[in-house]
Order: sequence, then structure tokens, then C-alpha cells
Amino acid sequence: DAKTTQPNSMESNEEEPVHLPCNHSTISGTDYIHWYRQLPSQGPEYVIHGLTSNVNNRMASLAIAEDRKSSTLILHRATLRDAAVYYCILRVLVGSGGGADGLTFGKGTHLIIQP
Amino acid sequence: DVKVTQSSRYLVKRTGEKVFLECVQDMDHENMFWYRQDPGLGLRLIYFSYDVKMKEKGDIPEGYSVSREKKERFSLILESASTNQTSMYLCASAGASSYEQYFGPGTRLTVT
Repeated sequence: DAKTTQPNSMESNEEEPVHLPCNHSTISGTDYIHWYRQLPSQGPEYVIHGLTSNVNNRMASLAIAEDRKSSTLILHRATLRDAAVYYCILRVLVGSGGGADGLTFGKGTHLIIQP
Repeated sequence: DVKVTQSSRYLVKRTGEKVFLECVQDMDHENMFWYRQDPGLGLRLIYFSYDVKMKEKGDIPEGYSVSREKKERFSLILESASTNQTSMYLCASAGASSYEQYFGPGTRLTVT
């Protein structure tokens, strides 16, 4: 399986943008890039996903490098409630059994937000 | 608002006891999953189910079994709990072709 590499931790100030990097140099053409996050004492929650183009939703933006070997999750204005562990994972195309595939999380990036 | 609920947030059991962890989702999802999460090991898939009465082994099924008699309910069973099964257990559900899994709050199980 293609692997991802993320920094162990990052720190940012409240109300500033946060850029969380992820390297996935062995990504294949059928892999989507997904991000989940896990707040303290809670289950993981979906953040965003993309294939080639940059993506935006109400939670975040995802910037994908042209060669797809790396991506960046962008939180435009971090709040204290964004303090969590962020996981970048690769998944096969939806419709290729994607719904029934289990997720595999590594260690992720522990994001610390300073007030 | 979508919801996945788990029967307990915290559970303490003795070695050798039979343990049932229940998960219920209200989204009419076909797929349901059981994971365990341990420090340094990340999230690992134990079992999943893609339909009522159907189940598939994940990466670490040994020592566990599952039951799915109704679409909304997926149970994880530890036939004879052991101390190495002390962990955070997470249930999730997903639609048939959905890219997104919805997780419950987790059950922290301690086996003494």
C-alpha cells in the first residue's frame, strides 16, 4: 500500500492559517488523498478528499501538487477547536470497493493551537 | 445529524470474561467497521460488514468475532478477554459507495 509521511507535530496561533503537509511519493493513479482528524477523546472525523485538483469545503482546503507526490491541508483560520491529530491517507477510487475498505491511520500530525 | 453510537465510553473487564461491544448507526449505511486504536500503532481494522449477516476479517481479527443481525447494529465480541485486548475500540459506518466513514465516540476497554 502507498504510504504517507507527516510531521509528528505542528504549532500555530489562533486565527492564523495552518498548512499541514503530507508526502505520498509512491501514490498510484487510482489513489484518492483523504484527510481525517481526531479531536481529543473523540472518534476520527472526515475532513476532505481529492484526486488531482485542489478542493475546498466548509472545514478546509486541500492543495495537491501537480505530480501528486505531496499535498497540503489548509485550515484558513485556526481556532482552538481545531486542535487535533490530523491523518493523511490514500484510498482507492470510490466504486472500486471503496465504501467497504477499512481505513489505516498512521501517527498523523498533532496540531497544537496557541490562544 | 448523522450518528454512530457505541454502548459504553469506558468498560473494565476481567481476564477470561466474554465482552460485548455494541454499535448502532442511524444512517441506513450498508458498511460497518470495528477498529482498535493503540498508541504508536495507529488505527487497525478488526472486522467489517458490508451487509446484514455478512462479515469480513480485517487486519487483526484474532481473538474477536462480530455479529450483524440488523442493518443498523454491529457487535464486536471478545469471547475470552485478555490483557492485550486493552485498547480504544472504534466503530464506523459508511454508505455503499461513500468515501466518508462516520465514527462513533469510541469505547475504552481495560482488561485486568
